[in-house]
Amino acid sequence: QVKLQQSGPGLVKPSQTLSVTCVISGDDISSTTSAWNWIRQSPSRGLEWLGRTYYRSTWYNEYAVSVRSRIDIDTETSKNQFSLHLNSVTPEDTALYYCSRQQLYDDAWRPFDYWGQGTLVTVSS
Amino acid sequence: DIQMTQSPSSLSASVGDRVTITCRASQGIRNDLGWYQQTPGKAPKRLIYGASSLQSGVPSRFSGSGSGTEFTLTISSLQPEDFATYYCLQHNTFPYTFGQGTNLEIK
Repeated sequence: QVKLQQSGPGLVKPSQTLSVTCVISGDDISSTTSAWNWIRQSPSRGLEWLGRTYYRSTWYNEYAVSVRSRIDIDTETSKNQFSLHLNSVTPEDTALYYCSRQQLYDDAWRPFDYWGQGTLVTVSS
Repeated sequence: DIQMTQSPSSLSASVGDRVTITCRASQGIRNDLGWYQQTPGKAPKRLIYGASSLQSGVPSRFSGSGSGTEFTLTISSLQPEDFATYYCLQHNTFPYTFGQGTNLEIK
């Protein structure tokens, strides 16, 4: 059974960097059939996909254009975890942040199956 | 970006009713569509993938259909635990995009 456990600060000041970590159990972050995603949810923007990382002999990242200049997703394979870093945050980045897994099956990606519990991040001074 | 237009945005129904939720994509996405159920305080739960494949463990009263730009989620006979918010997700083209949600309420 795959489990994704999130952690991160609940409050971030404007202009600072928001960081949330997702620890994976039951799967290997370096699996060539998995991708690791970040999604956020807010009343104003609904559910919004932010980006993903996956391993295919090397690490690949894909990011939403809306946050591309501010986002980084990195991995720590020794801890089987990945992290979202979003810099220069504003109150508009206040949201519930989720990590999620995507699986490759028969050469086609399936939609997100396992999700973390969510981390509410508020951007406020 | 591909826009996913979901309708209706809210729906009142009774236990035992048959309900249908629709998602329309602004361009063709083959069958790269999933349906999710979300209850308050919980992460979304995948019900359907590949537009019509039922997730293991999900009751057979849930079904999905469609391809290209028009998709539907049908619940054949509503149960009390089905009152929740439902979302579609396209994962054909980056950025992946979700519908705005359908809030299914008890009548």
